[in-house]
Amino acid sequence: DTAVSQTPKYLVTQMGNDKSIKCEQNLGHDTMYWYKQDSKKFLKIMFSYNNKELIINETVPNRFSPKSPDKAHLNLHINSLELGDSAVYFCASSHGGASYEQYFGPGTRLTVT
Amino acid sequence: DAKTTQPNSMESNEEEPVHLPCNHSTISGTDYIHWYRQLPSQGPEYVIHGLTSNVNNRMASLAIAEDRKSSTLILHRATLRDAAVYYCILRDGGGADGLTFGKGTHLIIQP
Repeated sequence: DTAVSQTPKYLVTQMGNDKSIKCEQNLGHDTMYWYKQDSKKFLKIMFSYNNKELIINETVPNRFSPKSPDKAHLNLHINSLELGDSAVYFCASSHGGASYEQYFGPGTRLTVT
Repeated sequence: DAKTTQPNSMESNEEEPVHLPCNHSTISGTDYIHWYRQLPSQGPEYVIHGLTSNVNNRMASLAIAEDRKSSTLILHRATLRDAAVYYCILRDGGGADGLTFGKGTHLIIQP
């Protein structure tokens, strides 16, 4: 069983479109995350979310929004896509807290043309 | 999260031990030391973490200096599959936010 899964694996779209990336975890974790890895391979936290709070990295444009239909899912919605949004997006989950490890999904490669 | 310093790259031979260093001189008393790695074209993978004492698991060992200002990830017998970027990350006691990745150490394993 895949612990953290993401769909789609690849996403190619045009500038200005709106798209979503789905993430599901079957580990029973209460905290989920979205990370962005740019072309220089630099990994950056975008959001951290549990059922009590959403922590947003202040550098993330408000065109990006996480939506959690339930504890096992955290989807990433992106409006008005721009060329600079092209990157690999990773979802992760954990029990939350500094003493717990995070489990990452396989990533979604987004290409905006 | 406090800052860490790692060498940009290291090279080792297959089936030999590898010691990956990390400096974190500004670590606070409640910071946990985490190690993750990212293999080519994959998501980051948890390796090990600790607070004060040395830790061992099936993947690696973590040696933490007595003053906690540095740590070393030890791969006891490197294989080609261990070639990856290794990240040393500090997480404070609250830990509500995500991981802060640096540039990591690119580990090259020679056959």
